Amino acid sequence: KNQVEQSPQSLIILEGKNCTLQCNYTVSPFSNLRWYKQDTGRGPVSLTIMTFSENTKSNGRYTATLDADTKQSSLHITASQLSDSASYICVVRHSGTGKLIFGQGTTLQVKP
Amino acid sequence: EAGVAQSPRYKIIEKRQSVAFWCNPISGHATLYWYQQILGQGPKLLIQFQNNGVVDDSQLPKDRFSAERLKGVDSTLKIQPAKLEDSAVYLCASSSRAGGLGTDTQYFGPGTRLTVL
Repeated sequence: KNQVEQSPQSLIILEGKNCTLQCNYTVSPFSNLRWYKQDTGRGPVSLTIMTFSENTKSNGRYTATLDADTKQSSLHITASQLSDSASYICVVRHSGTGKLIFGQGTTLQVKP
Repeated sequence: EAGVAQSPRYKIIEKRQSVAFWCNPISGHATLYWYQQILGQGPKLLIQFQNNGVVDDSQLPKDRFSAERLKGVDSTLKIQPAKLEDSAVYLCASSSRAGGLGTDTQYFGPGTRLTVL
């Protein structure tokens, strides 16, 4: 079954600290993987996208990694800010159907 | 560039009542999506339009949900009658085209939060 699992479900860190969010998927065949940031009361916004051949992609303080062999991705946030408080959703596109399979998200809270 | 617009932002109804949500995608975007996001979960695709045609509605509960995009621009999603389990955020998204390389970004609207009492 094509699934996307994220961990942890929620995370609290202090401002200025780093953190890493995990995404494991069983989607096959794989097309690409995106990380979205969803602020409370807003729609998701794309942070990064990686295809099969890419293993690292950065967007400012956000760095995503992809290991297509183990079907794992991570999102690393450096020097966290209060504005990083949000849900982060991992989304994998199925190459055959083109459908997007969404993870349940990780809720990050950054405290001062 | 204006983003995806949705209205209303919030709606509270009683079960068995009807409700409608409206979405205006980014200008020129051919593909429009409606998602249901239950609290604590990722979005679930309800229906995908390519221009004014339906591409995928496999997860749309057709006995109570309906959607249309008559002129290939804005869209309406309706629930009739609503059930308690329909309480969720309904997100609309658009992209410039479906399929292709599969890397087209979906741009999401702010969503409509529906509470069914």
